[in-house]
Amino acid sequence: GQNIDQPTEMTATEGAIVQINCTYQTSGFNGLFWYQQHAGEAPTFLSYNVLDGLEEKGRFSSFLSRSKGYSYLLLKELQMKDSASYLCAVRPTDKLIFGTGTRLQVFP
Amino acid sequence: DTGVSQNPRHKITKRGQNVTFRCDPISEHNRLYWYRQTLGQGPEFLTYFQNEAQLEKSRLLSDRFSAERPKGSFSTLEIQRTEQGDSAMYLCASSFGRGNQPQHFGDGTRLSIL
Repeated sequence: GQNIDQPTEMTATEGAIVQINCTYQTSGFNGLFWYQQHAGEAPTFLSYNVLDGLEEKGRFSSFLSRSKGYSYLLLKELQMKDSASYLCAVRPTDKLIFGTGTRLQVFP
Repeated sequence: DTGVSQNPRHKITKRGQNVTFRCDPISEHNRLYWYRQTLGQGPEFLTYFQNEAQLEKSRLLSDRFSAERPKGSFSTLEIQRTEQGDSAMYLCASSFGRGNQPQHFGDGTRLSIL
Protein backbone atom coordinates (compact mmCIF):
# COMPACT_ATOMS: atom_id res chain seq x y z
CA GLY A 1 0.00 0.00 0.00
CA GLN A 2 0.89 3.66 -0.23
CA ASN A 3 0.77 5.92 2.82
CA ILE A 4 2.14 9.42 3.27
CA ASP A 5 1.63 11.27 6.54
CA GLN A 6 2.16 14.92 7.31
CA PRO A 7 0.61 17.22 9.93
CA THR A 8 -2.64 18.84 8.88
CA GLU A 9 -1.93 22.33 10.17
CA MET A 10 0.95 24.35 11.62
CA THR A 11 1.33 27.94 12.73
CA ALA A 12 4.45 30.06 13.03
CA THR A 13 5.55 33.66 13.46
CA GLU A 14 7.03 35.89 10.79
CA GLY A 15 10.84 35.64 10.84
CA ALA A 16 10.87 32.27 12.59
CA ILE A 17 11.91 28.80 11.37
CA VAL A 18 9.42 25.98 10.84
CA GLN A 19 9.96 22.31 10.06
CA ILE A 20 7.25 20.30 8.29
CA ASN A 21 7.66 16.55 8.63
CA CYS A 22 6.60 13.83 6.22
CA THR A 23 6.72 10.07 6.73
CA TYR A 24 5.99 7.61 3.98
CA GLN A 25 5.45 3.93 3.30
CA THR A 26 5.31 3.17 -0.41
CA SER A 27 5.83 0.18 -2.67
CA GLY A 28 8.95 1.54 -4.32
CA PHE A 29 10.85 4.79 -3.97
CA ASN A 30 12.37 6.89 -6.72
CA GLY A 31 12.46 10.28 -5.06
CA LEU A 32 10.50 12.68 -2.87
CA PHE A 33 9.19 16.10 -3.89
CA TRP A 34 7.93 19.07 -1.91
CA TYR A 35 5.40 21.45 -3.46
CA GLN A 36 3.85 24.70 -2.22
CA GLN A 37 0.20 25.41 -2.97
CA HIS A 38 -1.57 28.69 -2.24
CA ALA A 39 -5.34 28.52 -1.95
CA GLY A 40 -6.97 28.25 -5.36
CA GLU A 41 -3.66 28.02 -7.19
CA ALA A 42 -1.52 25.31 -8.77
CA PRO A 43 1.11 23.44 -6.74
CA THR A 44 4.57 24.85 -7.42
CA PHE A 45 7.77 22.80 -7.16
CA LEU A 46 10.04 23.52 -4.19
CA SER A 47 12.54 20.67 -3.84
CA TYR A 48 13.52 17.13 -4.79
CA ASN A 49 15.44 14.52 -2.79
CA VAL A 50 16.44 11.08 -4.01
CA LEU A 51 19.55 10.46 -1.88
CA ASP A 52 19.83 10.77 1.89
CA GLY A 53 20.80 14.15 3.22
CA LEU A 54 19.97 17.80 3.06
CA GLU A 55 19.24 19.85 -0.06
CA GLU A 56 19.35 23.61 0.45
CA LYS A 57 17.73 26.15 -1.81
CA GLY A 58 17.64 29.66 -0.44
CA ARG A 59 15.30 29.94 2.54
CA PHE A 60 14.01 26.41 1.95
CA SER A 61 15.81 23.14 2.73
CA SER A 62 14.64 19.56 2.46
CA PHE A 63 16.01 16.47 4.18
CA LEU A 64 15.57 12.79 3.37
CA SER A 65 16.25 9.57 5.25
CA ARG A 66 15.29 6.62 3.07
CA SER A 67 15.92 4.02 5.79
CA LYS A 68 13.46 5.80 8.09
CA GLY A 69 10.95 6.71 5.38
CA TYR A 70 11.19 10.30 6.56
CA SER A 71 11.61 13.75 5.10
CA TYR A 72 11.23 17.29 6.32
CA LEU A 73 10.95 20.70 4.75
CA LEU A 74 12.63 23.52 6.64
CA LEU A 75 11.52 27.08 6.03
CA LYS A 76 13.71 29.86 7.43
CA GLU A 77 13.07 33.57 7.90
CA LEU A 78 9.36 33.05 7.45
CA GLN A 79 7.42 35.66 5.51
CA MET A 80 3.68 36.27 5.41
CA LYS A 81 3.63 35.04 1.80
CA ASP A 82 4.81 31.61 3.01
CA SER A 83 1.28 31.00 4.34
CA ALA A 84 0.21 28.12 2.09
CA SER A 85 -0.22 24.35 1.98
CA TYR A 86 2.95 22.28 1.66
CA LEU A 87 2.60 18.97 -0.12
CA CYS A 88 4.94 16.02 0.31
CA ALA A 89 4.91 13.67 -2.69
CA VAL A 90 6.71 10.37 -3.25
CA ARG A 91 7.50 8.89 -6.66
CA PRO A 92 7.20 5.11 -6.36
CA THR A 93 7.09 4.65 -10.13
CA ASP A 94 6.54 7.49 -12.61
CA LYS A 95 3.51 9.01 -10.91
CA LEU A 96 3.48 11.06 -7.69
CA ILE A 97 1.65 9.98 -4.54
CA PHE A 98 0.80 13.04 -2.47
CA GLY A 99 0.16 13.47 1.22
CA THR A 100 -2.86 15.49 2.31
CA GLY A 101 -0.70 18.60 2.71
CA THR A 102 0.23 20.74 5.70
CA ARG A 103 -1.52 24.09 5.92
CA LEU A 104 0.95 26.63 7.32
CA GLN A 105 -0.26 29.94 8.71
CA VAL A 106 2.32 32.63 9.35
CA PHE A 107 1.36 35.36 11.81
CA PRO A 108 2.98 38.79 12.15
CA ASP B 1 8.08 29.13 -21.06
CA THR B 2 4.37 29.87 -20.94
CA GLY B 3 3.61 27.21 -18.35
CA VAL B 4 0.94 24.53 -18.35
CA SER B 5 -2.41 25.85 -19.57
CA GLN B 6 -5.78 24.32 -18.70
CA ASN B 7 -9.20 25.14 -20.09
CA PRO B 8 -11.78 25.89 -18.96
CA ARG B 9 -10.89 27.22 -15.50
CA HIS B 10 -14.35 26.47 -14.19
CA LYS B 11 -17.09 24.14 -15.38
CA ILE B 12 -20.55 23.87 -13.87
CA THR B 13 -22.80 21.16 -15.23
CA LYS B 14 -25.79 19.05 -14.34
CA ARG B 15 -25.44 15.49 -13.18
CA GLY B 16 -25.46 13.08 -16.10
CA GLN B 17 -23.86 15.45 -18.59
CA ASN B 18 -20.53 14.84 -20.31
CA VAL B 19 -17.62 17.24 -19.83
CA THR B 20 -14.24 17.59 -21.52
CA PHE B 21 -11.19 19.43 -20.24
CA ARG B 22 -8.10 20.43 -22.16
CA CYS B 23 -4.48 20.66 -21.07
CA ASP B 24 -1.63 22.25 -23.02
CA PRO B 25 1.70 21.25 -21.46
CA ILE B 26 4.97 23.16 -21.55
CA SER B 27 6.06 22.78 -25.15
CA GLU B 28 9.18 20.63 -24.81
CA HIS B 29 7.72 18.35 -22.12
CA ASN B 30 7.11 14.78 -23.25
CA ARG B 31 5.26 13.60 -20.12
CA LEU B 32 1.77 14.72 -19.19
CA TYR B 33 -0.14 13.81 -16.02
CA TRP B 34 -3.71 14.21 -14.83
CA TYR B 35 -4.57 14.49 -11.12
CA ARG B 36 -7.76 15.19 -9.19
CA GLN B 37 -7.81 17.24 -5.99
CA THR B 38 -10.63 17.72 -3.51
CA LEU B 39 -10.75 20.28 -0.71
CA GLY B 40 -8.23 19.61 2.05
CA GLN B 41 -6.58 16.75 0.20
CA GLY B 42 -3.47 16.35 -1.90
CA PRO B 43 -3.73 15.65 -5.62
CA GLU B 44 -4.65 12.05 -6.56
CA PHE B 45 -3.05 10.51 -9.63
CA LEU B 46 -5.41 9.63 -12.48
CA THR B 47 -3.31 8.86 -15.54
CA TYR B 48 -0.19 9.83 -17.46
CA PHE B 49 1.20 9.92 -20.98
CA GLN B 50 4.66 9.74 -22.40
CA ASN B 51 4.34 11.44 -25.75
CA GLU B 52 1.07 10.00 -27.17
CA ALA B 53 1.21 6.71 -25.25
CA GLN B 54 -0.97 6.38 -22.15
CA LEU B 55 1.34 4.44 -19.81
CA GLU B 56 -0.62 4.16 -16.58
CA LYS B 57 -4.19 4.61 -15.36
CA SER B 58 -5.28 4.71 -11.74
CA ARG B 59 -7.96 2.37 -10.46
CA LEU B 60 -9.73 5.64 -9.52
CA LEU B 61 -10.30 6.15 -13.23
CA SER B 62 -13.61 4.42 -13.86
CA ASP B 63 -14.80 3.59 -17.36
CA ARG B 64 -16.64 6.94 -17.39
CA PHE B 65 -13.26 8.67 -17.60
CA SER B 66 -11.12 8.73 -20.72
CA ALA B 67 -8.00 10.68 -21.58
CA GLU B 68 -6.23 11.20 -24.87
CA ARG B 69 -3.07 12.85 -26.11
CA PRO B 70 -3.41 12.24 -29.84
CA LYS B 71 -0.31 13.97 -31.18
CA GLY B 72 1.82 13.96 -28.06
CA SER B 73 1.10 17.62 -27.42
CA PHE B 74 -2.17 18.72 -25.76
CA SER B 75 -4.37 16.28 -23.85
CA THR B 76 -8.08 16.00 -23.14
CA LEU B 77 -9.83 14.41 -20.20
CA GLU B 78 -13.48 13.47 -20.71
CA ILE B 79 -15.93 12.47 -18.02
CA GLN B 80 -19.15 10.86 -19.22
CA ARG B 81 -22.42 10.75 -17.25
CA THR B 82 -21.05 12.98 -14.50
CA GLU B 83 -21.90 12.21 -10.87
CA GLN B 84 -21.88 14.39 -7.74
CA GLY B 85 -18.68 12.72 -6.60
CA ASP B 86 -16.87 13.97 -9.69
CA SER B 87 -16.88 17.51 -8.29
CA ALA B 88 -13.21 18.37 -7.79
CA MET B 89 -10.27 20.32 -9.16
CA TYR B 90 -8.71 18.52 -12.13
CA LEU B 91 -5.01 19.30 -12.40
CA CYS B 92 -2.72 18.70 -15.33
CA ALA B 93 1.06 18.57 -14.98
CA SER B 94 3.93 18.07 -17.41
CA SER B 95 7.59 17.18 -17.15
CA PHE B 96 10.57 16.66 -19.40
CA GLY B 97 12.55 13.47 -19.78
CA ARG B 98 12.59 10.86 -17.06
CA GLY B 99 10.37 10.85 -14.00
CA ASN B 100 12.94 12.43 -11.70
CA GLN B 101 12.28 15.81 -13.28
CA PRO B 102 9.76 17.95 -11.38
CA GLN B 103 6.20 18.03 -12.63
CA HIS B 104 4.91 21.52 -13.40
CA PHE B 105 1.23 22.01 -12.72
CA GLY B 106 -1.43 24.05 -14.44
CA ASP B 107 -3.99 26.09 -12.51
CA GLY B 108 -6.58 23.35 -12.91
CA THR B 109 -10.19 23.07 -14.01
CA ARG B 110 -12.70 23.26 -11.19
CA LEU B 111 -15.70 21.01 -11.90
CA SER B 112 -18.96 21.53 -10.04
CA ILE B 113 -21.82 19.07 -10.53
CA LEU B 114 -25.29 20.40 -9.75
